[in-house]
Amino acid sequence: DTAVSQTPKYLVTQMGNDKSIKCEQNLGHDTMYWYKQDSKKFLKIMFSYNNKELIINETVPNRFSPKSPDKAHLNLHINSLELGDSAVYFCASSQGAGGKYEQYFGPGTRLTVT
Amino acid sequence: GNSVTQMEGPVTLSEEAFLTINCTYTATGYPSLFWYVQYPGEGLQLLLKATKADDKGSNKGFEATYRKETTSFHLEKGSVQVSDSAVYFCALTVTGGGNKLTFGTGTQLKVEL
Repeated sequence: DTAVSQTPKYLVTQMGNDKSIKCEQNLGHDTMYWYKQDSKKFLKIMFSYNNKELIINETVPNRFSPKSPDKAHLNLHINSLELGDSAVYFCASSQGAGGKYEQYFGPGTRLTVT
Repeated sequence: GNSVTQMEGPVTLSEEAFLTINCTYTATGYPSLFWYVQYPGEGLQLLLKATKADDKGSNKGFEATYRKETTSFHLEKGSVQVSDSAVYFCALTVTGGGNKLTFGTGTQLKVEL
């Protein structure tokens, strides 16, 4: 059984388009995250939700909008895609937001903007 | 702010060699420390963690000790295998930081026969 799943695994699109990435976890966790991994493999947090409420929003362009319809899902919508958005996006989840909780990562979505 | 510094890679070792990947950190507050591993084409998996000073995390033959006095969390393994080839990330969270992971830049390990 997949703990944290993401769809799609690969996404190729043109500049200016709007796209969404979906994430689901079946671990019963209450906190979910989006991370971005650039071409040099550097990982940086984008957003975090705890019990469907946004708790972390790191200097991310307004074109990125996360949505958490329930505790098990966290989606990422991206408007007006740019070349610099090309990256691997990872979803993660944890049991809480208190600082000591292990995060479980999804397999990643490789976004390529042409 | 919080930051993690890892040794530059790639690191290339022969099978059964000893591995050390250095990691040092700066943190506002008392951090919890983690090592994550990313195998080619996959997501990240937690390898080990330590949540207070002098704790030793261990898993699959890997170990790391939380050293508050030197602000370090070096990863070691006594005898690496080809299957250990991956990218290793040191990371931290701090209490009150929303469990946000701050990652180092990652160290690629390649183990050859």
